[in-house]
Amino acid sequence: DIQMTQSPASQSASLGESVTITCLASQTIGTWLAWYQQKPGKSPQLLIYAATTLADGVPSRFSGSGFGTKFSFKISSLQAEDFVSYYCQQLYSTPWTFGGGTKLEIK
Amino acid sequence: EVKLVESGGGLVQPGGSLRLSCATSGFSFTDYYMSWVRQPPGKALEWLGFIRNKVNGYTTEYNVSVKGRFTISRDNSQSILYLQMNTLRAEDSATYYCAREQGSNAMDYWGQGTSVTVSS
Repeated sequence: DIQMTQSPASQSASLGESVTITCLASQTIGTWLAWYQQKPGKSPQLLIYAATTLADGVPSRFSGSGFGTKFSFKISSLQAEDFVSYYCQQLYSTPWTFGGGTKLEIK
Repeated sequence: EVKLVESGGGLVQPGGSLRLSCATSGFSFTDYYMSWVRQPPGKALEWLGFIRNKVNGYTTEYNVSVKGRFTISRDNSQSILYLQMNTLRAEDSATYYCAREQGSNAMDYWGQGTSVTVSS
């Protein structure tokens, strides 16, 4: 199975700041990577697929980059509604696997 | 509008069985792979398996963690996805989500989830 190591597990930041989350794959996955946002008590929502492509309706302050084994997810100019949890997922080979998640907290 | 609505969760004793349903609407159900994902309280997401679309013969794949105990099926006439769960264990307690797969690029639509608790 491909292991997805996501970091940090939690991060504090202020409104308006930028944050970056990293996902490392245990083997190369090309650009078969997605990022999801999950609000408390809600289902995950797709933000980015194919490592860099924004899903429909997702604000441009969200962005993704990377290829192979190292991927990054950035939120520029944090808004209040962004302080929730985020997950990466590889869809290169089954079983699809998720990172451990990152919880953003307001500083 | 694409909608996925899970049902069938609840409290079940260890060793028991449960069947979850995911009623879908707003898209051509047979064109899509459909997945099940679960999330124990306070923990990360875990993909359980998927069932392929019509073009790919509705075949299934499973995570080894549930293979042999869980079965994914679909009723294409009613656009409903199922997850049959047998020999349930305490560690199967989680919120279970169904999700549509966007051509293996991602899971682009998710249901609201249904909670399963395995306890005596």
